[in-house]
Order: sequence, then structure tokens, then C-alpha cells
Amino acid sequence: DADVTQTPRNRITKTGKRIMLECSQTKGHDRMYWYRQDPGLGLRLIYYSFDVKDINKGEISDGYSVSRQAQAKFSLSLESAIPNQTALYFCATSAPTGGNDEQYFGPGTRLTVT
Amino acid sequence: QQQVKQSPQSLIVQKGGISIINCAYENTAFDYFPWYQQFPGKGPALLIAIRPDVSEKKEGRFTISFNKSAKQFSLHIMDSQPGDSATYFCAASRGGATNKLIFGTGTLLAVQP
Repeated sequence: DADVTQTPRNRITKTGKRIMLECSQTKGHDRMYWYRQDPGLGLRLIYYSFDVKDINKGEISDGYSVSRQAQAKFSLSLESAIPNQTALYFCATSAPTGGNDEQYFGPGTRLTVT
Repeated sequence: QQQVKQSPQSLIVQKGGISIINCAYENTAFDYFPWYQQFPGKGPALLIAIRPDVSEKKEGRFTISFNKSAKQFSLHIMDSQPGDSATYFCAASRGGATNKLIFGTGTLLAVQP
């Protein structure tokens, strides 16, 4: 089974709708991240969380919110989706730094806002 | 504001050739420089990483060259294979307490048989 899972894998929604993307991990990592990927722009950090009570904004948090329901679950919400939020969204996890800064990515959610 | 600049945007290499992807960074506080590999329909996966205390790191056919004074680092893929065809992202972070990765814009590599 995959260590980092994302649901749904694909989603088409309409402008103004609320949508939630979910991420679960079995790696036992404390740190979780949400990124968005756009062609020609690479991956950009939306939010990150270092434990259940810690939530931090990334470089492009406007229009998004997150919830860390448990160590293993981190959800990303779009309260009122707009077309320029059409992108590929990735969740990632990492262990507390102890020399290993590797981030482990999920398979992604392709979101289309019409 | 892009703190990590990556080039080229796309690259076509013949099988057996050398693929070279370059990145430049601005923040001298960065101390961790990974390269991620992404296949279509998959999430990025760590390929190789380097810290600034060494100028080169090699893992199999993949080598990172790091030039601290020029604030540049590059990925070299020797004996490139069609299976290496993927998108490659460089990244940088301050590591330590934050581990927030700043990614480059990606390079789409196609290795022709």
C-alpha cells in the first residue's frame, strides 16, 4: 500500500463550490505539506504543518485553508473555487529533521475548476 | 519572487548521452539542495541531494555538482536512458527547523532511443 495517499485523484468542480482534498499517510511522520503544481511554475507551497496543533502558511495560501485532523491526516479546502485554482495538488510528508530532509509525495490530485 | 532558477525548461538527449540541468539560487542561507524526479501521473520522488560542505555527490549515473561561490548546482545524468525520461525539479531549503523546500520550475527530459 502507498505510504501517502490522496483523495480524490481527479476532481472537476464549478466556480464557487467548496471542495476538500484529503491526504493520509502511514509513514508516521509529523510534518505534512500541501503543494500546487502548475506548468512552468514548478511546485509551490500552500500550507504546512509540523504537528497536529501547528499550521503555517506557505507562499500561496490565499484562497485555501487546511485542517490537520490527526497526525496522519491533512486536508486542503478551497472555500469558493475559482478557475485559476485549476492545478495539480500534492501532499507530502517528512520526518523531523535529524539529517534526513527528504519529503515523500503522494500521487497528486488533478483539480479542474470550470 | 523566484529564489531558485532552473534551466533549461526542456531537454532532448540521445540514449547514452549526458543530460545536464542547471539551477541557481539566491538565498545564501540555503543548506540543502535536493533533486526530485517526477514521472507522468506520479508525485515527485527524491533522486539525490547535496549539502554545501561538498562540491560533488554521485549516486550511480546521477551526479550533483555544487558551486557555493557561484550559488549554482547542477544535475548530470550519465549514459542517459529512455527510462530517465521524466520531469526533474531542483530545490533548496534551509533544512533544520523548517525544511521548507523552494522548487525550481522543472525540466522535462526526453531521452530518445
